[in-house]
Amino acid sequence: DTGVSQDPRHKITKRGQNVTFRCDPISEHNRLYWYRQTLGQGPEFLTYFQNEAQLEKSRLLSDRFSAERPKGSFSTLEIQRTEQGDSAMYLCASSPGAANTEAFFGQGTRLTVV
Amino acid sequence: SQQGEEDPQALSIQEGENATMNCSYKTSINNLQWYRQNSGRGLVHLILIRSNEREKHSGRLRVTLDTSKKSSSLLITASRAADTASYFCATDEYSNSGYALNFGKGTSLLVTP
Repeated sequence: DTGVSQDPRHKITKRGQNVTFRCDPISEHNRLYWYRQTLGQGPEFLTYFQNEAQLEKSRLLSDRFSAERPKGSFSTLEIQRTEQGDSAMYLCASSPGAANTEAFFGQGTRLTVV
Repeated sequence: SQQGEEDPQALSIQEGENATMNCSYKTSINNLQWYRQNSGRGLVHLILIRSNEREKHSGRLRVTLDTSKKSSSLLITASRAADTASYFCATDEYSNSGYALNFGKGTSLLVTP
């Protein structure tokens, strides 16, 4: 197992376009998180899944953002009608799901909206 | 929203010195974790301390937790240039939906040779 994998690593898109990112968690990890991080800031929580169920979604997340984890394995994060303010690093993490366990992060997808 | 607040925001020391970073949080937690991030990379877990623990060690790392003050500290002893990175605390807090992991804004550590 090679850890959490995110694809693509970099994405440049024009304002108004839709983008989709993929995250493959560590096998058998029940919990999957999405975060957004801008320069000089900590990761900002977006949403998380317990298996295929989306349990929590940040109030800061607009309706343009949607995430899925259809079979409880990989996850996708879609941003519709991108805006320049969406430019950030999007991080995915997974954990076994039990209490008191660490999260394992992918390398992130860097989105630039021009 | 971000739960933890690290202090200082930036820290510059020389190799061999100790580095101390602090984290304060607002709500009750299940555990508190520290992560490290090298520039432009993902986060790497360093250490986890449970809410019923007061101190924990891992190699050159020492973490303390004071739940009455809602604060934690990370001490890196005998620092090395390779320790240069951003350090984040994260609180694992329970909500109606289960556990959510929330990060602070981080401390940027620079260790010069």
